[in-house]
Amino acid sequence: QVQLVQSVAEMKKPGASVKVSCKASGYTFIGYGISWMRQAPGQGLEWVGWISAYNGNTNYAQRFQGRVTLTTEISTSTAYMELRSLRSDDTAVYYCARDGPNFEFDYWGHGTLVTVSS
Amino acid sequence: QSVLTQPPSVSGAPGQTITISCTGSNSNIGTGSDVHWYQQLPGTAPKLLIYASRYHPSGVPDRFSGSKSGTSASLAITGLRAEDEADYYCQSYDNSGHYVFGTGTKVTVL
Repeated sequence: QVQLVQSVAEMKKPGASVKVSCKASGYTFIGYGISWMRQAPGQGLEWVGWISAYNGNTNYAQRFQGRVTLTTEISTSTAYMELRSLRSDDTAVYYCARDGPNFEFDYWGHGTLVTVSS
Repeated sequence: QSVLTQPPSVSGAPGQTITISCTGSNSNIGTGSDVHWYQQLPGTAPKLLIYASRYHPSGVPDRFSGSKSGTSASLAITGLRAEDEADYYCQSYDNSGHYVFGTGTKVTVL
């Protein structure tokens, strides 16, 4: 069965960087893209960006351009999201999800809470 | 920032039918992009409920149905149950190649 297992919660200070991992299993990793979303406390879902696990092509939401980098490690079927210059309003649960064939997110990770506080 | 507009809340009694709307624009749903729906139970990750506007992933009951017309879409839940109490989000794709989400709707079962 398809599973996406994310790294544990992180606590960071403003200005720092965070790197969240998402290890995939149960399917051919390079056959699908991975998207990242976030959800601030009590708020809705926000798309952060997408990466092709096949060739590493990326596409980022405009508001995160220049501050986020998505990468993959094919040998371990793992996707990574690095977010830099953290601010308090980056405090959120970050989710990875597999991109389905109709531009839907068919499988989701359990989420990683990133808390930014001085 | 959400680009698709949903009502903040919808409620209904057990057994009733409720509908959640998702209003987009000619930059996203109106381009012909599919609409997908997710259910998020409290404290859990979202789960795909409807894909390509009207199809069910395996295991999702057919009490949930979706439709799309023009720049809008809707999700209907028939035979409402207590376990349907959750947040629901629509999602589509825009003409700049970006994914967009709805504002989210909290469903309460009275």
